[in-house]
Amino acid sequence: SQQGEEDPQALSIQEGENATMNCSYKTSINNLQWYRQNSGRGLVHLILIRSNEREKHSGRLRVTLDTSKKSSSLLITASRAADTASYFCAPLMLTQGGSEKLVFGKGTKLTVNP
Amino acid sequence: DAGVTQSPTHLIKTRGQQVTLRCSPKSGHDTVSWYQQALGQGPQFIFQYYEEEERQRGNFPDRFSGHQFPNYSSELNVNALLLGDSALYLCASSRPRVFAQSLTQYFGPGTRLTVL
Repeated sequence: SQQGEEDPQALSIQEGENATMNCSYKTSINNLQWYRQNSGRGLVHLILIRSNEREKHSGRLRVTLDTSKKSSSLLITASRAADTASYFCAPLMLTQGGSEKLVFGKGTKLTVNP
Repeated sequence: DAGVTQSPTHLIKTRGQQVTLRCSPKSGHDTVSWYQQALGQGPQFIFQYYEEEERQRGNFPDRFSGHQFPNYSSELNVNALLLGDSALYLCASSRPRVFAQSLTQYFGPGTRLTVL
């Protein structure tokens, strides 16, 4: 399988706490993107980290990437009830045909309790 | 600037029928990818279109076909529908690779297909 695999599958925290989600993948990548999805709706792009980057910040989000371990993590600080959603990591692979595709795992379902 | 749009929002079909889903990419994007997301699963790559041609295909049967038009919009066609085709179908667009250092894919809201 070439999936990005998220861990844990489900996470429940209290408002104000930090949430950490981990992701592992199996192949060489061009970049890794994190997405959020509310209740089966479309995916919202959160942050992208290139293969030559190790850490990236965007607001309350912090993403790390370790290409030697083929792993990434997403940290959401000071969580809010509105952060309740499923989060997916998606390694982007360039194919021999010149295209690019994202490979998704099953995601982490985050619940932030008020 | 409109994002990625998809139509219809919801669709109900019966087994054996055919369905066509539509996608309009973000302005300035020329590459369209389609994904299938079954309930409780992550999206699975179906195929990608660029310059009106299918560039890459995931592990989906030939019942799944597509098309890209000169204005970069795209259609996904599924023939001989099976119960297992019930899913959320997502379209994503991205910028031309010559301009896109990041190759970010932006997703539409999806089409929920139910096969009875």
